[in-house]
Amino acid sequence: EAGVTQFPSHSVIEKGQTVTLRCDPISGHDNLYWYRRVMGKEIKFLLHFVKESKQDESGMPNNRFLAERTGGTYSTLKVQPAELEDSGVYFCASSQDRSDNEQFFGPGTRLTVL
Amino acid sequence: DAKTTQPPSMDCAEGRAANLPCNHSTISGNEYVYWYRQIHSQGPQYIIHGLKNNETNEMASLIITEDRKSSTLILPHATLRDTAVYYCIVRVARVRTSYDKVIFGPGTSLSVIP
Repeated sequence: EAGVTQFPSHSVIEKGQTVTLRCDPISGHDNLYWYRRVMGKEIKFLLHFVKESKQDESGMPNNRFLAERTGGTYSTLKVQPAELEDSGVYFCASSQDRSDNEQFFGPGTRLTVL
Repeated sequence: DAKTTQPPSMDCAEGRAANLPCNHSTISGNEYVYWYRQIHSQGPQYIIHGLKNNETNEMASLIITEDRKSSTLILPHATLRDTAVYYCIVRVARVRTSYDKVIFGPGTSLSVIP
């Protein structure tokens, strides 16, 4: 079974540009999460999808970040316009609807904003 | 979610058991203890979780004290590949709610030494 995949693995952009990160969850997982770790900080939750609906977006830092999950399969996270402080590693995770709610994480996308 | 306290770093000799402690004195009755780890440049990886009974799987054992205020993750025969940051997290296992997110602390950086 394929795990959670993320694309690209690394993105380098200039301040003010737009970047779109993609996450493909494990097939059949209704829950999809985005997290990020910025330099020197802890991993922080961004938002949670249940199928195509946003269950919790309390961790989204500001309106420059837009997450979508059309059709309830893969998800995209767009940053527009990117700022220097957006640099970090963005992780995606998915889980089934089970009481133990084990979350499987992808390898992450390293975003560098210059 | 209740907070946890872990030592910032630990060393362990290769082949020996690694015992990683975690304090969670304010844990609630319906909160589980989860352990994740993050190997350098990879996404977080689920290890094990438990409510009040000790648990064992192919990766590790989890020992939870009777009062549930602390726990220990045991890697029975640590290898160099176990070098990682280990996160102890307590959370309610309640799907499709805002409790789903994983709240990461600083964790314990475990170094397995040859």
